[in-house]
Amino acid sequence: AQSVAQPEDQVNVAEGNPLTVKCTYSVSGNPYLFWYVQYPNRGLQFLLKYITGDNLVKGSYGFEAEFNKSQTSFHLKKPSALVSDSALYFCAVRPPASGTYKYIFGTGTRLKVLA
Amino acid sequence: EADIYQTPRYLVIGTGKKITLECSQTMGHDKMYWYQQDPGMELHLIHYSYGVNSTEKGDLSSESTVSRIRTEHFPLTLESARPSHTSQYLCASSPLRASYEQYFGPGTRLTVT
Repeated sequence: AQSVAQPEDQVNVAEGNPLTVKCTYSVSGNPYLFWYVQYPNRGLQFLLKYITGDNLVKGSYGFEAEFNKSQTSFHLKKPSALVSDSALYFCAVRPPASGTYKYIFGTGTRLKVLA
Repeated sequence: EADIYQTPRYLVIGTGKKITLECSQTMGHDKMYWYQQDPGMELHLIHYSYGVNSTEKGDLSSESTVSRIRTEHFPLTLESARPSHTSQYLCASSPLRASYEQYFGPGTRLTVT
């Protein structure tokens, strides 16, 4: 079965330190990979995506993500965390051209940046 | 900000009432989705649509129904609300190509008493 795993329910990091939010996937073929952020009482906001090309993709608010095909991972990173980055982060995968229109979401990771 | 709207944002309603949650997008996207999310938890796909007059049930069984009469409009209806329907409902849309991300509305927080 196709799936996305976010192994950490919560990640705590001090402000100014680098952060990593992990995501691994189990999907056949070469899927499209996405990261979203959700603030309280809001919908999800798109951060970045990997379609093809350079394994390091840059997105909104200084976030970037590293695609690793051999490890089937797509970890979200930021060099220097801000308190305002505290939110719920979702990794999502879309199987390519498989006839499905569905996105497969991870269970979410809560990021807490401590002042 | 994405051009996708949901109304109402918050709704408190009694058991047995019929409700419709509205979702509209002005981006001309073919595909639209409804997700159910308990606060701070994972998303569960309950309905999706490929285009006008096309709807499918998602992964999570739901007693709700949807319709897609116009491209921009994808309402969700509960014929008889129950306390177990208390949750947040998120609407999303995306263009046709698989490489495109979804755009999410702000959500409707539903409480059934």
